[in-house]
Amino acid sequence: GESVGLHLPTLSVQEGDNSIINCAYSNSASDYFIWYKQESGKGPQFIIDIRSNMDKRQGQRVTVLLNKTVKHLSLQIAATQPGDSAVYFCAENQTGRRALTFGSGTRLQVQP
Amino acid sequence: DTGVSQDPRHKITKRGQNVTFRCDPISEHNRLYWYRQTLGQGPEFLTYFQNEAQLEKSRLLSDRFSAERPKGSFSTLEIQRTEQGDSAMYLCASQVQETQYFGPGTRLLVL
Repeated sequence: GESVGLHLPTLSVQEGDNSIINCAYSNSASDYFIWYKQESGKGPQFIIDIRSNMDKRQGQRVTVLLNKTVKHLSLQIAATQPGDSAVYFCAENQTGRRALTFGSGTRLQVQP
Repeated sequence: DTGVSQDPRHKITKRGQNVTFRCDPISEHNRLYWYRQTLGQGPEFLTYFQNEAQLEKSRLLSDRFSAERPKGSFSTLEIQRTEQGDSAMYLCASQVQETQYFGPGTRLLVL
């Protein structure tokens, strides 16, 4: 079936470094993508989103890149901080559907 | 706090008991979702409301599960005759435009 997945289950980075979290999707009809951050015991927190008519979108310290050719999505976090330690999920949707489809998540560990 | 709220945050119950969870969405968000999340996995869609109308249900939502949103504001999710396999985090989200904002979840443990 169609799915959204992540390449790496755990990513460990040094504080201050940049982090890149990757996500592959298989539904070519997906036209809206979101990154969520989830800390232990909490609900997913919206980080940034991007529509399929864009290749790149920037927020505060975060950038999402979308490559529709290879169905790949990435989240870049600049100057990673200990507070960035969490599980990151990509999710996708397509026009006409309501439910988000989530991947299984990547755990980001920031080493001091 | 003007975010999505859920109650209770934690629930421990014995197998066979009924449980009910409540979700209060962000004010004026007319779309409300329930998801279930098991450890190490992403949330899985259960059901969706637009105002008081339940418009979509996942096949995950067995006949032991029922959700309501009687006045188009808060919503409840009830699980009857709970089973150990129901142990999970139950998440509620409300939506404005395309973005879904999640609550803190209710963690259910069925003994």
